[in-house]
Amino acid sequence: DAGITQSPRHKVTETGTPVTLRCHQTENHRYMYWYRQDPGHGLRLIHYSYGVKDTDKGEVSDGYSVSRSKTEDFLLTLESATSSQTSVYFCAISEGTGVYGYTFGSGTRLTVV
Amino acid sequence: SQKIEQNSEALNIQEGKTATLTCNYTNYSPAYLQWYRQDPGRGPVFLLLIRENEKEKRKERLKVTFDTTLKQSLFHITASQPADSATYLCALDFSGAGSYQLTFGKGTKLSVIP
Repeated sequence: DAGITQSPRHKVTETGTPVTLRCHQTENHRYMYWYRQDPGHGLRLIHYSYGVKDTDKGEVSDGYSVSRSKTEDFLLTLESATSSQTSVYFCAISEGTGVYGYTFGSGTRLTVV
Repeated sequence: SQKIEQNSEALNIQEGKTATLTCNYTNYSPAYLQWYRQDPGRGPVFLLLIRENEKEKRKERLKVTFDTTLKQSLFHITASQPADSATYLCALDFSGAGSYQLTFGKGTKLSVIP
């Protein structure tokens, strides 16, 4: 998707290993988000950022941490991956609050074996 | 607690007909509601936003209504085409002033049959 890229697109990792997913934007948007999408649950917010070094927890933050040292990059880290974290992870960006829609990345499919 | 619900998991309609998808929410008075489209293997794409003081919003073959009394939004696709087949998500911001976090419904998978 234009202006936002996620890497890697696919990853298989073993239980107990740390994993970092990257979201990079070229839109200079203030807000960035990490969601996970699972069958039967839909999209659920993990963490979000409202500026450099400003982050907060979402609905399903346990087992995840984030960092945002630059406007353009938002990293999601699974400190010790578990099978329950097998999911599709989406990053989203937004220019502002309220009337601005989100722009989503193409997603990262993570499998924890 | 606040909830957002899309009543139908799946909807099949014949090409050329109007598709109507429903989004209901509880325990909140949102200032606006958003609709997204998601194709398999892709991220959601923003379609429309409707504000609480707007009864109806249109964009090409799309029409969204917002009834704050019923706590419901309807999403219509007129003259539907097979290319409209996708999952459609509604979304609300329950977080209140000073933040911006969308909560998404689980989506309705629309299949338009030729």
